[in-house]
Amino acid sequence: NFILTQPQSVSESLGKTVTISCARSTGVIARNYVQWYQQRPGSAPTTIIFQDDRRPSGVPDRFSGSLDTSSNSASLTISGLKTDDEADYFCQTYDDNNLWVFGGGTKLAVL
Amino acid sequence: QVQLVQSGNETKKPGASVKVSCKASGYIFTNFAVTWVRQVSGQGLEWMGWISPYNGDTKYPEKFQDRVTVTADTSTNTAYLELRSLRPDDTAMYFCAKSWIAVPLVDKWGPGSQVTVSS
Repeated sequence: NFILTQPQSVSESLGKTVTISCARSTGVIARNYVQWYQQRPGSAPTTIIFQDDRRPSGVPDRFSGSLDTSSNSASLTISGLKTDDEADYFCQTYDDNNLWVFGGGTKLAVL
Repeated sequence: QVQLVQSGNETKKPGASVKVSCKASGYIFTNFAVTWVRQVSGQGLEWMGWISPYNGDTKYPEKFQDRVTVTADTSTNTAYLELRSLRPDDTAMYFCAKSWIAVPLVDKWGPGSQVTVSS
């Protein structure tokens, strides 16, 4: 099966924009929807992006998802960074048998 | 509103089994799936299984095929995860999640149940 590779950590300053990548090892990234989950310390994950670029109600439009076919990866972009955005972020997709695959997670530090 | 209430923390000995429950409310239980995901402290998310309460269809990763059973009771809107032959490295937080049937994604996560395996 394929794997999803995320950077272990990223950091950016308050108010700036950060992008977290999620690279699919084999198979086309656009073939299966990608989701993004946010997990703050000590809490359960929450869904912030589903079906590549859709936001659940209540998720601010500072969060956006996209696909980059040239790098076969998905990206989560967070603009106007707030201290509250400090969290772990996980991407997730699935294979053609609907078996789930999670990325290893990225720890975001807001400086 | 959608709520997922999970059973309490458990401590088990190696070789034992554990059954974690997840009671759903606020939506039509049979219209969505339930997914189970675990997380070892400080590590990533690991998918353990999926069930459609509508028809009982299940899916498991190969790693857990022999040790995990996911079930659902539509009379009580409760899903269950059973993990057998427990080992110390099964010590983790176990999350249930409301998922879509047609597309493998989570739209609501449960709070988690801590399972500790220790002799």
